[in-house]
Amino acid sequence: DIQMTQSPSSLSASVGDRVTITCRASQTINSYLNWYQQKPGKAPKLLIYAASSLQSGVPSRFSGSGSGTDFTLTITTLQPEDFATYCCQQSYSTPYTFGQGTKLEIK
Amino acid sequence: QVQLQESGPGLVKPSETLSLMCSVSGGSISSYYWSWIRQAPGKGLEWIGYTDYIGRTNYNPSLKSRVTISLDTSKNQFSLKVSSVTAADTAMYYCARGDPGLDYWGQGTLVTVSS
Repeated sequence: DIQMTQSPSSLSASVGDRVTITCRASQTINSYLNWYQQKPGKAPKLLIYAASSLQSGVPSRFSGSGSGTDFTLTITTLQPEDFATYCCQQSYSTPYTFGQGTKLEIK
Repeated sequence: QVQLQESGPGLVKPSETLSLMCSVSGGSISSYYWSWIRQAPGKGLEWIGYTDYIGRTNYNPSLKSRVTISLDTSKNQFSLKVSSVTAADTAMYYCARGDPGLDYWGQGTLVTVSS
């Protein structure tokens, strides 16, 4: 199985900040990388697919980059509703695997 | 707007079979891939497997011997069965659409394995 490792596991930031979350795959996955946002008690929401494509309806302050094994999710100008847990998922090969999540908290 | 809704028992006894259904509305199940994902309490997401629109399946090897995902196009539903459950199968179970990115999700259903 491909292991997905996110860093940091938690992050404190303020409204208006810019934050970056990193996801590393244990082997190359080309650009088969998706990012999700999950709030407590809710299902995950797709933000970014294919490493850098913004899902329809997702604000443009979210962006993704990377290919191969190293990927980043960037949120510019944090909004109050962005405080949540973010996780990455590889869809290069089955079994599809997720990162352990990064919890973004209000400073 | 595509909507997915999970249904099934919230409590299953050890060694029995967990059975869940996912009903799809606002779109046809006869296209796309349809997945099941679970999340144990306080843990990360685990992909269980998927069926495509003609019933071809792909399962996580960690569960493969115990899992069956089936498609019912006449009812616009797909289902999950996990046999011989233990406490380790206690989790929130989600159904979702898409491959590779999972773009529509159900709200999830909590299944507890306990006697």
